[in-house]
Amino acid sequence: NAGVTQTPKFRILKIGQSMTLQCTQDMNHNYMYWYRQDPGMGLKLIYYSVGAGITDKGEVPNGYNVSRSTTEDFPLRLELAAPSQTSVYFCASNDPHASGEYTDTQYFGPGTRLTVL
Amino acid sequence: DQQVKQNSPSLSVQEGRISILNCDYTNSMFDYFLWYKKYPAEGPTFLISISSIKDKNEDGRFTVFLNKSAKHLSLHIVPSQPGDSAVYFCAASAGKDSWGKLQFGAGTQVVVTP
Repeated sequence: NAGVTQTPKFRILKIGQSMTLQCTQDMNHNYMYWYRQDPGMGLKLIYYSVGAGITDKGEVPNGYNVSRSTTEDFPLRLELAAPSQTSVYFCASNDPHASGEYTDTQYFGPGTRLTVL
Repeated sequence: DQQVKQNSPSLSVQEGRISILNCDYTNSMFDYFLWYKKYPAEGPTFLISISSIKDKNEDGRFTVFLNKSAKHLSLHIVPSQPGDSAVYFCAASAGKDSWGKLQFGAGTQVVVTP
């Protein structure tokens, strides 16, 4: 299993440009998440999804959009990039009920480092 | 509003000694706590967790202690090894009502010296 994969690893955008960060998982997890990590800060939840076709906002959703058309993929879209979106973005997945007992252990991808200039 | 706080941004410890990482939280609804470890240029990896019905959980060299009355948890690493040098994040969730919505602390950079 590759686990959670993210592309690209790095990207530099100009202010106002758009891009999509890709995330794929091969663990058949229903739940998927997008986080951002700013320097010296913890991870903050942007959006999450509990299954194909179902998405919801996290703590910091402004400036982002998501879609979930398949179990495997959960792309994050940035429209009109701003310097405040310079960050490292992590995708994660899990299945809280897989073991029959609730667990919130999430599995993370390697991250995408985005710089907006 | 930071609901999970790791007040020590860094910790230096000698190889073979104990590392103690601390985490405080403010939300009394949190009932599940996790520690993640992160190496540079990689995603966080799960280390150990504890449910609020327990006060201790062990996994090899790693032990997590939970003090609900003080809203405090700690991670003990014994003995510390050079490969333990990483950033450690404490995270918490409010269980059924907030599945998946982890709140993370800012992290503690651990450096294990020979």
